[in-house]
Amino acid sequence: GQSLEQPSEVTAVEGAIVQINCTYQTSGFYGLSWYQQHDGGAPTFLSYNALDGLEETGRFSSFLSRSDSYGYLLLQELQMKDSASYFCAVRARTPDNYGQNFVFGPGTRLSVLP
Amino acid sequence: DTEVTQTPKHLVMGMTNKKSLKCEQHMGHRAMYWYKQKAKKPPELMFVYSYEKLSINESVPSRFSPECPNSSLLNLHLHALQPEDSALYLCASSQEGTGANVLTFGAGSRLTVL
Repeated sequence: GQSLEQPSEVTAVEGAIVQINCTYQTSGFYGLSWYQQHDGGAPTFLSYNALDGLEETGRFSSFLSRSDSYGYLLLQELQMKDSASYFCAVRARTPDNYGQNFVFGPGTRLSVLP
Repeated sequence: DTEVTQTPKHLVMGMTNKKSLKCEQHMGHRAMYWYKQKAKKPPELMFVYSYEKLSINESVPSRFSPECPNSSLLNLHLHALQPEDSALYLCASSQEGTGANVLTFGAGSRLTVL
């Protein structure tokens, strides 16, 4: 099976930088994704890492270390609208080797204060 | 078209009712997913269809019955549900294969079981 761990809550002020960590245990690993979900909304894709290293997309960056089963999401120049839940998700091969699935971590609630 | 459309947005049903949730995508994605999400919890994988074949059933009770009539449609048939089944039901789709790394979610169907 798969298991993931994230901090439950993070608080920061506008303009700051925050890092949300994720550790995982899985078999058939393909990659690690990050999703943002505002209250009442659906998860939306932020980034994906299949290989070790840093991926940068605007104010958001994501890092993966496959050997450490660890990744993080870095949010820079925080804005009030970044207040949301952030989920890491492992993309892995299904047990029957037929397809893929995405299993989500418990989520990190980010609160951005003025 | 880059959307996943779910209907209905809200559904209230009694424990003896039979209802269905519907999901449609026209992005050519060949993998489709049902997730269940309770408040302040991560999306929990229920079913995965890959090329219209059920790939994963995460030990979901038989009162939930998925159906994939074609590559664009995914249904979730509901029968004899319990109040604890009240949740947000999210449909998602993705491409298949090694390049498939993004889940696109619908807005969800919020189910209340009385």
